[in-house]
Amino acid sequence: DTGVSQDPRHKITKRGQNVTFRCDPISEHNRLYWYRQTLGQGPEFLTYFQNEAQLEKSRLLSDRFSAERPKGSFSTLEIQRTEQGDSAMYLCASSLPGSNYEQYFGPGTRLTVT
Amino acid sequence: AQTVTQSQPEMSVQEAETVTLSCTYDTSENNYYLFWYKQPPSRQMILVIRQEAYKQQNATENRFSVNFQKAAKSFSLKISDSQLGDTAMYFCAFMKQGGAQKLVFGQGTRLTINP
Repeated sequence: DTGVSQDPRHKITKRGQNVTFRCDPISEHNRLYWYRQTLGQGPEFLTYFQNEAQLEKSRLLSDRFSAERPKGSFSTLEIQRTEQGDSAMYLCASSLPGSNYEQYFGPGTRLTVT
Repeated sequence: AQTVTQSQPEMSVQEAETVTLSCTYDTSENNYYLFWYKQPPSRQMILVIRQEAYKQQNATENRFSVNFQKAAKSFSLKISDSQLGDTAMYFCAFMKQGGAQKLVFGQGTRLTINP
């Protein structure tokens, strides 16, 4: 069990570019979450997968954002036409039903849009 | 919608002292869970302690304990015998039972333990 991993850890991009982040959850965890954390704030829920199915999306997730979990394992979060307001830490978490509802977090990907 | 409020943006105590972090929440749900997560500087978030709303007994994990007041919708965290390694951002979080089981976080409290 190596924990939740995220790649890249840091991404600097210019406004208007597309970026993609990857999350590898703990191997047996079938639930996967994406959160966004801006400076000085708590994380905010973006979207949730159970296996490969995306079951809930926040209103924060505009149409420029898309997330996938193709085989129910790793997940990707893509942001198209990035804006300065997209600058934030993007956190991934995974959990297993029956595990006392604990979500295990990855180290995050810090996005800076210049 | 649920909201979580942490009214103390920053706190600072001396090593070995006891410190209490405050959290209030608003919900119309009856079945839910409450959590305190710790986010050390430049490190990932880890669970400190959890509380099931149906349990009257307050949760305890070693030096960490909570004071859960369901009627008042209050969920404070007490850290006893604080250590330098307790320095971190602390987030209170709410989870509704069922559905996505997503976490709703407060704004966080930055806790500094001074030697």
